Amino acid sequence: AQSVTQLGSHVSVSEGALVLLRCNYSSSVPPYLFWYVQYPNQGLQLLLKYTSAATLVKGINGFEAEFKKSETSFHLTKPSAHMSDAAEYFCAVSGGSNYKLTFGKGTLLTVNP
Amino acid sequence: KAGVTQTPRYLIKTRGQQVTLSCSPISGHRSVSWYQQTPGQGLQFLFEYFSETQRNKGNFPGRFSGRQFSNSRSEMNVSTLELGDSALYLCASSPGDSQNYGYTFGSGTRLTVV
Repeated sequence: AQSVTQLGSHVSVSEGALVLLRCNYSSSVPPYLFWYVQYPNQGLQLLLKYTSAATLVKGINGFEAEFKKSETSFHLTKPSAHMSDAAEYFCAVSGGSNYKLTFGKGTLLTVNP
Repeated sequence: KAGVTQTPRYLIKTRGQQVTLSCSPISGHRSVSWYQQTPGQGLQFLFEYFSETQRNKGNFPGRFSGRQFSNSRSEMNVSTLELGDSALYLCASSPGDSQNYGYTFGSGTRLTVV
């Protein structure tokens, strides 16, 4: 079985500040890990993915995430927040023969001017 | 390259009715997955089809069903609608032969049951 825990349902930062969204996973097989972003009334857009290559993964819009197996974590960061980053962010895991994504509950990011 | 297309975008149905939602994957993708998104339960996996065969299924009642056609387009059907079925239904496609590629989502169908 796989599961994802996103710490903090709501994170608020100032424009220009560091963004850190936390994700911890549980998986009995080597995991594939994903971060998605969802804007209001839209679907999910893939930000980045970890697929057992480099542990530091760079994504779109300046986001990156680091896979830490010892900590079972895959936290999402961005050095400088922009107003356009305000959205809901979802961490997800898949793996093995299980072609499905298991999502965390999501973190709503608010960016203050 | 066209993305994942879901139709219709919005639907309003009455309790007890049935509904069919459609998903056209990215050209060349053979896997289509369906997810239900609600404020209370978040994103939950419904089922996944690969080359017209259901490969994975989530924990939803039998009222929820799906199928995939030879051109990879997929439909999901919900029979005997309940108020609790009101949700955003998202479709995702992938090449399907490896999880390396990730999943591309459509914009969703917003279903409201009254």
